[in-house]
Amino acid sequence: GQNIDQPTEMTATEGAIVQINCTYQTSGFNGLFWYQQHAGEAPTFLSYNVLDGLEEKGRFSSFLSRSKGYSYLLLKELQMKDSASYLCVDSNSGYALNFGKGTSLLVTP
Amino acid sequence: DAGVIQSPRHEVTEMGQEVTLRCKPISGHNSLFWYRQTMMRGLELLIYFNNNVPIDDSGMPEDRFSAKMPNASFSTLKIQPSEPRDSAVYFCASSAGTGGSGNTIYFGEGSWLTVV
Repeated sequence: GQNIDQPTEMTATEGAIVQINCTYQTSGFNGLFWYQQHAGEAPTFLSYNVLDGLEEKGRFSSFLSRSKGYSYLLLKELQMKDSASYLCVDSNSGYALNFGKGTSLLVTP
Repeated sequence: DAGVIQSPRHEVTEMGQEVTLRCKPISGHNSLFWYRQTMMRGLELLIYFNNNVPIDDSGMPEDRFSAKMPNASFSTLKIQPSEPRDSAVYFCASSAGTGGSGNTIYFGEGSWLTVV
């Protein structure tokens, strides 16, 4: 993904909270998605932010700051099944999604 | 409801052979995307169709790759001749609008291609 920056790997403990940060290019910005991808599976939609602020959805929350070109995904009460790759995605092309390379999260007991 | 359906799920082929990947988007979706995923490059958009018309094929690697969408319920991605560097997972995805306008993009399970 062009101009999307997120950590390559993270490790966290079951039951803990983890924050995955993402920075993106602000020009032509139309919205910021987070997708989850388990190994060997297709990406699935987690969240979409177009306005500044925090969007909460169960254990997962996503935050956006348009002026800073910054987003984060917050995962609470981590479970083993949350081990996956988390993809920060912007839509600056106007029609398709521009995927980052993802952050591989490992949840340990 | 059926999701995006891709075939084949797995294919192993010899270098130089033709490969055809198939996709049936979710009924009613007017946008279709072909993505390729590798460890090195992540998910890359290959081509985007809207209402069966190719809108952006700038991601298609080279002339060996071609894609068609003859109707709203079917698309193909063809590689001819295939090369080992084409080995990747190829995802088809569809959306009710353009992905850039905030519409969720739904992915198929992918076609895992290995060219030996």
